[in-house]
Amino acid sequence: DADVTQTPRNRITKTGKRIMLECSQTKGHDRMYWYRQDPGLGLRLIYYSFDVKDINKGEISDGYSVSRQAQAKFSLSLESAIPNQTALYFCATRGQGGAEQYFGPGTRLTVT
Amino acid sequence: RKEVEQDPGPFNVPEGATVAFNCTYSNSASQSFFWYRQDCRKEPKLLMSVYSSGNEDGRFTAQLNRASQYISLLIRDSKLSDSATYLCVPGGSQGNLIFGKGTKLSVKP
Repeated sequence: DADVTQTPRNRITKTGKRIMLECSQTKGHDRMYWYRQDPGLGLRLIYYSFDVKDINKGEISDGYSVSRQAQAKFSLSLESAIPNQTALYFCATRGQGGAEQYFGPGTRLTVT
Repeated sequence: RKEVEQDPGPFNVPEGATVAFNCTYSNSASQSFFWYRQDCRKEPKLLMSVYSSGNEDGRFTAQLNRASQYISLLIRDSKLSDSATYLCVPGGSQGNLIFGKGTKLSVKP
């Protein structure tokens, strides 16, 4: 079984809809991250969390919110989706003593 | 200056070739450095960490020049399976990572 899972893997939604992307991990890591990736652009950090009570905005947090329900779960919400939020979204985790980030398989989101 | 700059490529090389990728970063306070590999439509995966003294892992060699804020990756004896996008990743503040846009490599038979 994968250590970092994301659901859904693909989603098509309409402008104005609320959508939640979920991330779960079995690695026991305390740090979790949400990124988006657009063609021709690098991974951009949306939000990150160092533990359940610590949530931080990343480079591009506008239009997004997150919830760290448990150490193993970190959800990303788009309150009112817009077409320029169409992208590939990745969740990642990192252990406190480590430097490597481990990524989930990604969620491909299309907003029409 | 952009945080991380990489030549986007694509680099099209024959099997067996040696290819080198370069990267510059702007944050002089970065303490950790990595190369990640990303296959098309897949998640990035760590290829190797980059140490100040340079390090090698099989056919892959990474170099770091802190004074010039420059990182490199050398791939020897390229394989078809090396075809991917290579992301230069210096560490940022609070232990976060700053991902470059990547250099695309295509190895041809």
